[in-house]
Amino acid sequence: DVKVTQSSRYLVKRTGEKVFLECVQDMDHENMFWYRQDPGLGLRLIYFSYDVKMKEKGDIPEGYSVSREKKERFSLILESASTNQTSMYLCASSSSNTIYFGEGSWLTVV
Amino acid sequence: EDQVTQSPEALRLQEGESSSLNCSYTVSGLRGLFWYRQDPGKGPEFLFTLYSAGEEKEKERLKATLTKKESFLHITAPKPEDSATYLCAVGPMNTGFQKLVFGTGTRLLVSP
Repeated sequence: DVKVTQSSRYLVKRTGEKVFLECVQDMDHENMFWYRQDPGLGLRLIYFSYDVKMKEKGDIPEGYSVSREKKERFSLILESASTNQTSMYLCASSSSNTIYFGEGSWLTVV
Repeated sequence: EDQVTQSPEALRLQEGESSSLNCSYTVSGLRGLFWYRQDPGKGPEFLFTLYSAGEEKEKERLKATLTKKESFLHITAPKPEDSATYLCAVGPMNTGFQKLVFGTGTRLLVSP
């Protein structure tokens, strides 16, 4: 079975803090993704990576950056967290035509 | 603009009462259509991929079908454990499977 592991399930951070969300996949997939999910808005793509050190912006990259130093690991960084970044963050990976998701990280920014 | 609309937003069924969820899409060429199941507080779980009109796939009580404009997820004799949000997503031809467009989901509640 494909396993996408998000290290933090629940986080509470203060406005202005730097936040790291970590994700690891164990299937040697080339592609990895970060989405956020908000009620009524569905899943929106923040960034994706198709290879180590390669990244592309998704639909809502503002306020976020990413890092992929190793194939299995993809990190989402909030340089200066703001309250409008309170959301559920989903990491995903794929090798070809199927995207598999992690369990999600609930981030609250106060 | 590529778009996915799911209906209804919410559906309440009695156990054993079959029904269908709809996913209408507008896309500049379809590479694939995906169905996911999402339980509260968890990430989406992959169910099916459909690639061309007329294709059907089944898994237990679920059957997904695809036309040129929409997909249906048919649920036959549902059980309470089928309660979840069902998400539909499309992979446009120009961006493929790297930039899926998601609908907002149908919340299904099956009562015993």
